[in-house]
Amino acid sequence: QKEVEQNSGPLSVPEGAIASLNCTYSDRVSQSFFWYRQYSGKSPELIMSIYSNGDKEDGRFTAQLNKASQYVSLLIRDSQPSDSATYLCAVPMYSGGGADGLTFGKGTHLIIQP
Amino acid sequence: SQTIHQWPATLVQPVGSPLSLECTVEGTSNPNLYWYRQAAGRGLQLLFYSVGIGQISSEVPQNLSASRPQDRQFILSSKKLLLSDSGFYLCAWSLAGEQFFGPGTRLTVL
Repeated sequence: QKEVEQNSGPLSVPEGAIASLNCTYSDRVSQSFFWYRQYSGKSPELIMSIYSNGDKEDGRFTAQLNKASQYVSLLIRDSQPSDSATYLCAVPMYSGGGADGLTFGKGTHLIIQP
Repeated sequence: SQTIHQWPATLVQPVGSPLSLECTVEGTSNPNLYWYRQAAGRGLQLLFYSVGIGQISSEVPQNLSASRPQDRQFILSSKKLLLSDSGFYLCAWSLAGEQFFGPGTRLTVL
């Protein structure tokens, strides 16, 4: 089964700075990558999907994918206290087809300091 | 737009009691449906997934079972709960890879 590794943190970043979250995965054939945000006591919320090498930007969020290095990252620009949460990286468990369940990392706990 | 519901939101059950958690999705047809569990200190673990009515795939051997009696309804059950069944149970739906989670049910087994 595929493995997804994340630094558990906590990662502490001052307000207004860039938060950088990293994720590595074990299966070289993975094609889809997802970032979820989970506030304490709440369910995960999908914030970014990325399928191709390079960068994908959505507002203050940028996902970066490097398939050769089996590495995906999430950058949060102009960090706000409301960004404080646990960020989960996920990849499809098997072939990457539409029905696949996801394998999740254990998440990085991000704290934005006002 | 699509909406996913789960109930109950919280549940406290004694060891050995039965369990039934329900998930329903609105605003879409023939979604793929999933049950995950998030136990304290552990990551999200896929328990079951379903691509259609009556079609259930199990990922982890356990004393839980799942059923999909209707297109947009997914039920998680147990005949006898164990202490280790405590956790945050999440239902999710997808149509094309991206998965969206419901609000979850927090289960405590005493």
